[in-house]
Amino acid sequence: NAGVTQTPKFQVLKTGQSMTLQCAQDMNHEYMSWYRQDPGMGLRLIHYSVGAGITDQGEVPNGYNVSRSTTEDFPLRLLSAAPSQTSVYFCASRHLGTHNEQFFGPGTRLTVL
Amino acid sequence: AQKITQTQPGMFVQEKEAVTLDCTYDTSDQSYGLFWYKQPSSGEMIFLIYQGSYDEQNATEGRYSLNFQKARKSANLVISASQLGDSAMYFCAMREGYTSGTYKYIFGTGTRLKVLA
Repeated sequence: NAGVTQTPKFQVLKTGQSMTLQCAQDMNHEYMSWYRQDPGMGLRLIHYSVGAGITDQGEVPNGYNVSRSTTEDFPLRLLSAAPSQTSVYFCASRHLGTHNEQFFGPGTRLTVL
Repeated sequence: AQKITQTQPGMFVQEKEAVTLDCTYDTSDQSYGLFWYKQPSSGEMIFLIYQGSYDEQNATEGRYSLNFQKARKSANLVISASQLGDSAMYFCAMREGYTSGTYKYIFGTGTRLKVLA
């Protein structure tokens, strides 16, 4: 069981470039989500999905797109990177239910110059 | 309005002593859950403990216990017999607000704990 995997671990982009952060889980979790972590801000929810074909916006969705074509994968797309998107990004997954904890990936540290 | 408040940006504790990390929350839901996560310097998020709003007993997991005071809306994490490996950032999180087929999780800003030898 690999759990939640994320690639890449580190990425440097120039302003305006696009890229996709990959996230995959092998626990058959219905729910997957993306957070960004900034100093002094905790973790903020970007987008989430409750199953294949279903996505919704979180607290800070602007500048990011997601899709969920399979249960396992939940990629996060930055269409035109901005310096304000410099952050550490975490993908998380869990079973739907009242008190299931989330399992987090190792994170992707993104720097936008 | 911030729904999860961790007022201690940083704390020190002597090895083998107990330490309490504060967390207060705000919600109008009757059913909610509270979580604590640990983030060591390596960056991963590690689940520590969970408390449901209807649970009558305080949750415990090994050296971790959650001091849940519902009327005061606080969910403090107590770490007993601190170890050097406990040095990390600790996040309090709340599950609430059933919308769009699921619950949302909200995180506090974290408390950085340093255990001194």
